[in-house]
Amino acid sequence: GQQLNQSPQSMFIQEGEDVSMNCTSSSIFNTWLWYKQDPGEGPVLLIALYKAGELTSNGRLTAQFGITRKDSFLNISASIPSDVGIYFCASNAGGTSYGKLTFGQGTILTVHP
Amino acid sequence: DGGITQSPKYLFRKEGQNVTLSCEQNLNHDAMYWYRQDPGQGLRLIYYSQIVNDFQKGDIAEGYSVSREKKESFPLTVTSAQKNPTAFYLCASSQGANSPLHFGNGTRLTVT
Repeated sequence: GQQLNQSPQSMFIQEGEDVSMNCTSSSIFNTWLWYKQDPGEGPVLLIALYKAGELTSNGRLTAQFGITRKDSFLNISASIPSDVGIYFCASNAGGTSYGKLTFGQGTILTVHP
Repeated sequence: DGGITQSPKYLFRKEGQNVTLSCEQNLNHDAMYWYRQDPGQGLRLIYYSQIVNDFQKGDIAEGYSVSREKKESFPLTVTSAQKNPTAFYLCASSQGANSPLHFGNGTRLTVT
């Protein structure tokens, strides 16, 4: 089946540093979504991307839908302790897949004050 | 407030027993989904429903069953046939085919 390869698996950074993570796939996708999950909670949508090349910001977060439609990255600038959590990329091939998202394995982010 | 409610937050069962996890949404979304999350892994789709009285198997449907009798409700039953039921279960809903999923806060099921 379709797979998303998300990297890095984990990151340990100091407060104030910038963070970058990405997802790649061998398949073409129509949608790229980035979610954050706090421990014991459900994932919360951060950014949704719908067009190849699209660059979208949400506060300190910036994400881009790769031109080839096979990858996406998420950047977090000036990290703060509450950025801690697991970040997932997710994608949808569209068509008959109807909202069936494929998820990456997640990036665990730890921010040291 | 509009949202998705999963209950209970924690559930403990003995092996061999069926158990039903509740998921209710008041977002008026047509589609609802059940995902399973295991430590260190991404989410895997169990079942999904595009409309009332219809549902489809996801990638790991074996040992699970669902129903969609009402738009706002999509309960998941973990049957005794599920070989490894201990996991974190997440319910989600979406407005349409390419709309982002909105997740509930999950139910952690432990089977001993």
